[in-house]
Amino acid sequence: AQKVTQAQTEISVVEKEDVTLDCVYETRDTTYYLFWYKQPPSGELVFLIRRNSFDEQNEISGRYSWNFQKSTSSFNFTITASQVVDSAVYFCALKGASNYQLIWGAGTKLIIKP
Amino acid sequence: NAGVTQTPKFQVLKTGQSMTLQCAQDMNHEYMSWYRQDPGMGLRLIHYSVGAGITDQGEVPNGYNVSRSTTEDFPLRLLSAAPSQTSVYFCASSRTGGSSIFGYTFGSGTRLTVV
Repeated sequence: AQKVTQAQTEISVVEKEDVTLDCVYETRDTTYYLFWYKQPPSGELVFLIRRNSFDEQNEISGRYSWNFQKSTSSFNFTITASQVVDSAVYFCALKGASNYQLIWGAGTKLIIKP
Repeated sequence: NAGVTQTPKFQVLKTGQSMTLQCAQDMNHEYMSWYRQDPGMGLRLIHYSVGAGITDQGEVPNGYNVSRSTTEDFPLRLLSAAPSQTSVYFCASSRTGGSSIFGYTFGSGTRLTVV
């Protein structure tokens, strides 16, 4: 069975603080893909990153960074120097190579206060 | 390049009514899918298609039908709407079932309320 757990339901920080969103996954597939999506208050889903299971390099994109650790089955997302525009619900998702279904976590609502 | 277009954006149905949610993509993606999003939950897969003429069930298919007569279009039909189908529906497409570096492209969603 595949599962994605985002234990943090809601996080609230003050602007310019760093914040990390946790994602823990379960899968029996040896090849799989992990994703992060952002859902702003307007409701659309915005693709942020995709990571293959065989590529454990961490990635940085501007103020965003991702830490993939297979040993702990985690794919955490950090926003550095948060901004009010980062306020959104963030979803972590998993797709095993053996099927087409994208398994989603329940999402973390991030509130950035000015 | 419009991406994935969903219509309508909002819909209110009475219990027992039927309707079709439209989804069209102009990226020549083989893979298309429908998800529903309920409060406090991640998205759940309803149906998906890996190409024209090929469809399959996802996690929560009951009460929904799909067909894929062209590469571009993947409509979702509610046969007899029930209040439990009140949700936000997203259509997504991908070149290779999510394996491409760009992942999935999502439509803007359809907010459906069944009363």
